[in-house]
Amino acid sequence: GQQLNQSPQSMFIQEGEDVSMNCTSSSIFNTWLWYKQDPGEGPVLLIALYKAGELTSNGRLTAQFGITRKDSFLNISASIPSDVGIYFCAGRSGSARQLTFGSGTQLTVLP
Amino acid sequence: DGGITQSPKYLFRKEGQNVTLSCEQNLNHDAMYWYRQDPGQGLRLIYYSQIVNDFQKGDIAEGYSVSREKKESFPLTVTSAQKNPTAFYLCASSIVSGQDSNQPQHFGDGTRLSIL
Repeated sequence: GQQLNQSPQSMFIQEGEDVSMNCTSSSIFNTWLWYKQDPGEGPVLLIALYKAGELTSNGRLTAQFGITRKDSFLNISASIPSDVGIYFCAGRSGSARQLTFGSGTQLTVLP
Repeated sequence: DGGITQSPKYLFRKEGQNVTLSCEQNLNHDAMYWYRQDPGQGLRLIYYSQIVNDFQKGDIAEGYSVSREKKESFPLTVTSAQKNPTAFYLCASSIVSGQDSNQPQHFGDGTRLSIL
């Protein structure tokens, strides 16, 4: 089956710093999604990407659909305490009906 | 407000019992999904349904069952055959528009199931 490698597994950063995380897949995807999950809640969609090379922003968040269609990056600029949570990437290939999820990046923002 | 409602928030089960987790959506979405989340892991697909009265097994369907009698509802039953049911269960829904739908999934707030 499809596999997604998400890194890093966890990050500890100072408030105000920028953050970058990425996902790579074993196969070509035509959709990349980035979600954030707060403790005890369901994931919330942050950014959706549908075209290779696409760069999309949502406030301080920016995500890119890799040119090879096998990777995606999420950047968070000027981190704040409420950025704490688990960030998941998810992708779908053209032949699949369902999403494949990465294992998540646990982000901790230190004051 | 439109959204996905999962209930209960917390559920406790004795060994050997079946339990049913509720998922209701008023987003008029065609597709609904059930995922299991374990600590430090990503979401694993249990079952999904694209239309009423039809559903497909996901990656870890053993020990689980579902029904889709109504568009709005997709209950998940954790049976006694599921040997390690303690987990956080998430329900999601999405629009299905065409064969190669790329519509993102939207999630409920989850049910945490624990074994007594």
